[in-house]
Formats: sequence, structure tokens, C-alpha cells
Amino acid sequence: GAVVSQHPSWVICKSGTSVKIECRSLDFQATTMFWYRQFPKQSLMLMATSNEGSKATYEQGVEKDKFLINHASLTLSTLTVTSAHPEDSSFYICSARGASGDYEQYFGPGTRLTVT
Amino acid sequence: SQELEQSPQSLIVQEGKNLTINCTSSKTLYGLYWYKQKYGEGLIFLMMLQKGGEEKSHEKITAKLDEKKQQSSLHITASQPSHAGIYLCGAGGYTGKLIFGQGTTLQVKP
Repeated sequence: GAVVSQHPSWVICKSGTSVKIECRSLDFQATTMFWYRQFPKQSLMLMATSNEGSKATYEQGVEKDKFLINHASLTLSTLTVTSAHPEDSSFYICSARGASGDYEQYFGPGTRLTVT
Repeated sequence: SQELEQSPQSLIVQEGKNLTINCTSSKTLYGLYWYKQKYGEGLIFLMMLQKGGEEKSHEKITAKLDEKKQQSSLHITASQPSHAGIYLCGAGGYTGKLIFGQGTTLQVKP
């Protein structure tokens, strides 16, 4: 089956620093990737849609200058949390949809970010 | 905007028992996804339904989408401890964006 990986799986950073999270589709080409965040005991909230070779589309209320998304290739999207603050601490999960035309969507294992 | 309501929010069953989780949408569903998540981990894709009246099964899990495409159910037969986790339904359209229900936490007592 389709596999999506994320790196790192967890990260602790100091307030004011930037953190980059990678999302890779390992055995398929992903024309579209999505970034979600999940707070403890809550459901996933879509942050942005990342299309290969074009600018990401952000959901309402998500600061595009704070959450920089780059989808440089068909297998890699990155999310950079800039000038991180404690309220950015969360579980970030990416998903990828293949180019085959089906609508199945596969999720990465998530990255837990803690900002101190 | 579309909203998904899952019920129940949590469920504790004895091993071997059957159970059903429901997902109701405020709008007609284009595609309905079921995922399983263990706390602090990623989502495992279970099934996707698109057609009204569609039913899919995998091992002991069956998912159905009603004819009106506004409600889906996930049924687990003869539950096992390995079925424990958080079950999420997600609604998606052609854009691929998914909106999720709040999740149903399942515990299976041995």
C-alpha cells in the first residue's frame, strides 16, 4: 500500500526559532499533499493544501507567513513553522493523494512539536 | 460549511461483541472516508465510500453509506483488543480536502 513518512517524528524547539517538518510519499507520486494539525483529544484541522510546483492554499485563519509550505517535488512537501511560540505546540500530520485519479488519501505518522 | 457528527463519542465493549459507529453529515457527501488512529500516531486508512448505498468490508470491519449520502456507519464484528483506537470519519470532495468528525474512542476489554 501507499506509504507516507514524516520527519522528524517529534521535535522540541525554543520559542522564536523555526522548525521544518518533511512529508514524503515513499512509493507513489503525490500531486497534492495536505497539512493538518491536531490538538490533544481533538480532531484534525486542515491547515493548507500543497500542490507540486505551485503556491500552497491556506485555510481561513491559518497564517501563511508563519506556516511556510513548499512542495518542491512529487514526493516531498515541507512545512516550516517560523518564529515558533508555545501555542504552536501541536501534532502536525500530512497526507498525500496520488496522481492516479483515485481519491484515496494516505496519512503520515505525524510530527509532535513542542515549543518551550 | 460542512460538518460531521460522530456518535457515540466513546465506546467500551467486551471482546467478542459487535459495535457500530455512526457519522452524520450536514450536507450530501461526495466521498466518505474512515480512518483509525492510535493516540499520538498517524491515521490508518480503512475505507472510502462514494456511492449511495455502497458497502465495503475489510476483515471484520464493514462500512456503509446510506442512499441519501448523508450518513455512514462503521460496524465491527466480534471486536478484538486490536480494534481499540480512535475512529475518524472524514468528508472529502474532488479537491481532496478532508473535514473530520470529532472521533469515536473505542476501548475493547479482554
